[in-house]
Amino acid sequence: DAMVIQNPRYQVTQFGKPVTLSCSQTLNHNVMYWYQQKSSQAPKLLFHYYDKDFNNEADTPDNFQSRRPNTSFCFLDIRSPGLGDAAMYLCATSRPLLIRGYNEQFFGPGTRLTVL
Amino acid sequence: QQPVQSPQAVILREGEDAVINCSSSKALYSVHWYRQKHGEAPVFLMILLKGGEQKGHDKISASFNEKKQQSSLYLTASQLSYSGTYFCGTEISGTYKYIFGTGTRLKVLA
Repeated sequence: DAMVIQNPRYQVTQFGKPVTLSCSQTLNHNVMYWYQQKSSQAPKLLFHYYDKDFNNEADTPDNFQSRRPNTSFCFLDIRSPGLGDAAMYLCATSRPLLIRGYNEQFFGPGTRLTVL
Repeated sequence: QQPVQSPQAVILREGEDAVINCSSSKALYSVHWYRQKHGEAPVFLMILLKGGEQKGHDKISASFNEKKQQSSLYLTASQLSYSGTYFCGTEISGTYKYIFGTGTRLKVLA
């Protein structure tokens, strides 16, 4: 089945120790998103790619970087995780249609990051 | 600006109905509804594209009032499986950027 896969599902890291989260998709969608979701809050967009075009949200900390080496894969790098970065990280994809606003997102299962 | 949802939380008995509202201070060109169960990813429910559009499947339906910049999600004869957090959301026109609403936690009791 076509899907969005995130690895690992659970990641524990130490304060300040770099960590990389990965996302892959078999949907061949050209848009990929990274969201951060903290407890009892809505997912918050960190960045998105339209093909290779990278779009960073203005309030995404510099500590967060992303790479998309090809259509199928996208990575989230946290260079120096702080305690406040502990959250669920969600990857999503979409393939916008010509109809304005029709941009259904498909989510991966998420990676829960714990920072010790 | 994040869309605001009301109520923030609601508790129902199985079989009861609920309405969740989503209101935006900016023009909405589309409204998406998602349900998220604890510890899981959001699951797409439906998209409404045009003002006045109503959609539904099973016992969950939604309406969109583009003029009022509002959407409502209707859950009829709720089931235990409806429990979760419901998010409305919208795409910022022409950007592929997506904003989720503040969320509504719904719990259905047996």
